[in-house]
Amino acid sequence: DAKTTQPNSMESNEEEPVHLPCNHSTISGTDYIHWYRQLPSQGPEYVIHGLTSNVNNRMASLAIAEDRKSSTLILHRATLRDAAVYYCILTSGTYKYIFGTGTRLKVLA
Amino acid sequence: EPEVTQTPSHQVTQMGQEVILRCVPISNHLYFYWYRQILGQKVEFLVSFYNNEISEKSEIFDDQFSVERPDGSNFTLKIRSTKLEDSAMYFCASSGRPGTTQETQYFGPGTRLLVL
Repeated sequence: DAKTTQPNSMESNEEEPVHLPCNHSTISGTDYIHWYRQLPSQGPEYVIHGLTSNVNNRMASLAIAEDRKSSTLILHRATLRDAAVYYCILTSGTYKYIFGTGTRLKVLA
Repeated sequence: EPEVTQTPSHQVTQMGQEVILRCVPISNHLYFYWYRQILGQKVEFLVSFYNNEISEKSEIFDDQFSVERPDGSNFTLKIRSTKLEDSAMYFCASSGRPGTTQETQYFGPGTRLLVL
């Protein structure tokens, strides 16, 4: 199973951009990069995903390195409601998603 | 926006009792999953289900567990004889076909199971 590496925790000030990194040096050509977040006592919430090109949606942006060995989830203006654990997951036609420990984002008021 | 729903939100049961956790997937999804998360630990895959068959299961999903799609909308996880260590949050998810642009799994809010 492909592995991802994320920092255990990060802090951001409210209203500032946040860049959450993920390393996936063993990514294969067909792996999608998915990002989820989990607020306390809630289910994982889909944030964004991409394959090769950078992606934007209403929640965030995903910047994918040219060699695809790393990616960055960008929250353009962090709010207190963005405090959560963020997971970067590689998927390639597999049924099971493998969750790591993710990055715990703390947003400071 | 369509979403996955789960019932009950909380379930307390005695050890050895059977529990059934219910999920209503997103309506046009045909692939269904169960995950669990023991308090303070990672989210763990249990099983995936498609076309009335288990597609993949983890070592956690032993003979005490079963899954079923009893009708066109519900998807259930049954634990036949609960153990203390089954206490966890159980998440249902659904998706379109894996390996396509529809493969993103959408998760429900979870059922918190407490076995006493």
